[in-house]
Amino acid sequence: GAGVSQSPSNKVTEKGKDVELRCDPISGHTALYWYRQSLGQGLEFLIYFQGNSAPDKSGLPSDRFSAERTGGSVSTLTIQRTQQEDSAVYLCASRPGTGGISPLHFGNGTRLTVT
Amino acid sequence: AQSVTQPDIHITVSEGASLELRCNYSYGATPYLFWYVQSPGQGLQLLLKYFSGDTLVQGIKGFEAEFKRSQSSFNLRKPSVHWSDAAEYFCAVAAHNQGGKLIFGQGTELSVKP
Repeated sequence: GAGVSQSPSNKVTEKGKDVELRCDPISGHTALYWYRQSLGQGLEFLIYFQGNSAPDKSGLPSDRFSAERTGGSVSTLTIQRTQQEDSAVYLCASRPGTGGISPLHFGNGTRLTVT
Repeated sequence: AQSVTQPDIHITVSEGASLELRCNYSYGATPYLFWYVQSPGQGLQLLLKYFSGDTLVQGIKGFEAEFKRSQSSFNLRKPSVHWSDAAEYFCAVAAHNQGGKLIFGQGTELSVKP
């Protein structure tokens, strides 16, 4: 498929465990974003990658959250020592990232449940 | 910093009735504005966007939105709602100098009565 792919689609983990969420952006898209959608909340910006530039980490809620993007393509969002308040849907989005503002293309998200 | 407010958390309309979902933004310059829809179990889909020019923009599925600078609003409208329009709708704003990062409102959940 040509869309943004996220895995796993669902993840249940115990409090205190680490989790990794994966995002495969659309081929050729240089800009990649992570958002968090909690129950009854809007989409909360977490982090943004653009090409080889330093990422914009301004939305990460704590130092337990980190993300990397290898080779300018696949991205992994890692949450260490998960807490129950981390339960949410984590959405990844990408866009071409050149020539002004183009809309974001979203994946279907990873639903994380921390028990 | 820019922000987006969607005052209505939940709206119910009858099928065939008209719809208006409210969105107000806070941003110092002319923003880039978007409406996305999220159907149950689906990802977010772009309905329409405003960058510049004509303040009335047409989108997919019969939706339109009007940018009103004086009111800092970008309300979404549809003349006749279909049952399949039941979903959550998000308004978003992007700043010109922040790499296309979108700031979203909290969403409005739309229910459609038969």
